[in-house]
Amino acid sequence: EAGVAQSPRYKIIEKRQSVAFWCNPISGHATLYWYQQILGQGPKLLIQFQNNGVVDDSQLPKDRFSAERLKGVDSTLKIQPAKLEDSAVYLCASSLARGLATNTGELFFGEGSRLTVL
Amino acid sequence: QKEVEQDPGPLSVPEGAIVSLNCTYSNSAFQYFMWYRQYSRKGPELLMYTYSSGNKEDGRFTAQVDKSSKYISLFIRDSQPSDSATYLCAMSRRAGSARQLTFGSGTQLTVLP
Repeated sequence: EAGVAQSPRYKIIEKRQSVAFWCNPISGHATLYWYQQILGQGPKLLIQFQNNGVVDDSQLPKDRFSAERLKGVDSTLKIQPAKLEDSAVYLCASSLARGLATNTGELFFGEGSRLTVL
Repeated sequence: QKEVEQDPGPLSVPEGAIVSLNCTYSNSAFQYFMWYRQYSRKGPELLMYTYSSGNKEDGRFTAQVDKSSKYISLFIRDSQPSDSATYLCAMSRRAGSARQLTFGSGTQLTVLP
């Protein structure tokens, strides 16, 4: 079974530029998440989609971050304009049901997109 | 004070050693406790999941939860070089809510051959 696919794996940009990350979840997974993982920290949830609707975006800095999940499958996370503090790994994850599976709490993560803002 | 505290390490042990990884937390409402393993330049993967207090064993791995002390542990027996990774604890107030899932900052483990 194919895992969560993300691209690009690495991106270096200058501050105030824009960047977009793409995610393709595991086939059949209705719920998709974007996490931000700053070096030395645990992942922090940015946004959660259920199919193509937003369930939770309370921690998404909406003045510069946007995300969409058209057709309830692929998703794109955009940052515009980028700041130095946005340097992080952006992890996409998916799960079968809404939120975490009640019996395992399992999220399936992609390998991440590493962003460096200079 | 962070809700979840985890010693960042790095922790280096010889092959075959017993490893103890720990997290403390401040929110007594946490009921679901998880350990994720994250290899270098990879995404986290779920290793262990426990509900409330007690122990859970899976092969060489044992997860322990002490809610009275707000302390969780992951023990790795007969550690192998392939166990070298960052281990993230995570906890949640209720099942089915990624919004309420709080991760620790991770402990970097190296098992030397």
